[in-house]
Amino acid sequence: KAGVTQTPRYLIKTRGQQVTLSCSPISGHRSVSWYQQTPGQGLQFLFEYFSETQRNKGNFPGRFSGRQFSNSRSEMNVSTLELGDSALYLCASSLPQGNADTQYFGPGTRLTVL
Amino acid sequence: QQQVKQSPQSLIVQKGGISIINCAYENTAFDYFPWYQQFPGKGPALLIAIRPDVSEKKEGRFTISFNKSAKQFSLHIMDSQPGDSATYFCARSLINAGGTSYGKLTFGQGTILTVHP
Repeated sequence: KAGVTQTPRYLIKTRGQQVTLSCSPISGHRSVSWYQQTPGQGLQFLFEYFSETQRNKGNFPGRFSGRQFSNSRSEMNVSTLELGDSALYLCASSLPQGNADTQYFGPGTRLTVL
Repeated sequence: QQQVKQSPQSLIVQKGGISIINCAYENTAFDYFPWYQQFPGKGPALLIAIRPDVSEKKEGRFTISFNKSAKQFSLHIMDSQPGDSATYFCARSLINAGGTSYGKLTFGQGTILTVHP
């Protein structure tokens, strides 16, 4: 079974631009979560989608948004990029199993904001 | 916000030694504690996970032990190998009374493990 895929793997943008990242979950997985990873803040939860609905959201400004499509693929968008948005953005998918979700991560998209 | 405090930040062990990583958490009744391993350039990969109603779980050379009274759990890597050199993260998934976690993991700051040959 193919793992979580993320595109693109690398992105370079300038301040003020916007960016869209894509995530394809493992086949059959319906939950997709997004995380930001930086050396200073570590891994931080952005938001989670299930059946095209955002169920949970982390403490990030409104410039960070996402959506999920009917095939469970998800995108996240960052508008008006700031230097501090440079990070590895990770997507994780899971098949909710009741008491606990096992999340499987993709390789991430490395975003550099100049 | 429920925090996870992980220590040490970095750890160096010799091949064949035991690596120990600790994580402390705030009290909660419904949680799930996964551990992830991350190699450079890769996303985190699930290593092992434990629920608070289990005091210990072992998978191969990896063991999680859970001390509820101390609010701490630990990862032990027995017979550490150079291939184990990676960053390890403990995490928690807050689960509500209905058993749903809503896909949010709160991570510790990570431990960089280096195993010397």
